[in-house]
Amino acid sequence: DQQVKQNSPSLSVQEGRISILNCDYTNSMFDYFLWYKKYPAEGPTFLISISSIKDKNEDGRFTVFLNKSAKHLSLHIVPSQPGDSAVYFCAASVYSGNTPLVFGKGTRLSVIA
Amino acid sequence: EAGVTQSPTHLIKTRGQQATLRCSPISGHTSVYWYQQALGLGLQFLLWYDEGEERNRGNFPPRFSGRQFPNYSSELNVNALELEDSALYLCASLKDAGSLPFDTFGSGTRLTVV
Repeated sequence: DQQVKQNSPSLSVQEGRISILNCDYTNSMFDYFLWYKKYPAEGPTFLISISSIKDKNEDGRFTVFLNKSAKHLSLHIVPSQPGDSAVYFCAASVYSGNTPLVFGKGTRLSVIA
Repeated sequence: EAGVTQSPTHLIKTRGQQATLRCSPISGHTSVYWYQQALGLGLQFLLWYDEGEERNRGNFPPRFSGRQFPNYSSELNVNALELEDSALYLCASLKDAGSLPFDTFGSGTRLTVV
């Protein structure tokens, strides 16, 4: 049973445009959501997070939106840059400190110059 | 500050053999988490160690085991290797169990079972 789903395995966007990566979850107990970025031959790196008490969190070019009723979150990257080309993983947790992060399968973003 | 380090980078084993993977957490971190990333799948939670104790394990068979040493480094052992164990094994650490998120994972160990 996949609790965190990233239904788009890949996405191509032109440099300067907006990239939108989507993620759906099924477990209504999740209350903390994160995005990680992974370059080849490196481990995933934390990008941005949001707790369930918010519906939006911004950090520079990156914004995460959370729609609890739809159990959906999205990551917006504006403007997209070639260096953003990577695999993006959505993750979720019950923020008790005792449950591990549950990850989606990832979306490969390619930003074309 | 050194990040999470994992060794070896690559490991090739024959089916039925045992593999040992190692992880050194960020200095001052006491919790270590292991994840498996098989081809086409996301990161699957394997094991969590904190203060030398196993705190939680994912839905993996008992031949996946590990331990955490007094210096908080950790070892993952996979016995009776099967072809489907071929994957990237990633390790992350936390200062304490409640201090999510993981900032970074180690670069991983690529295990290939032939």
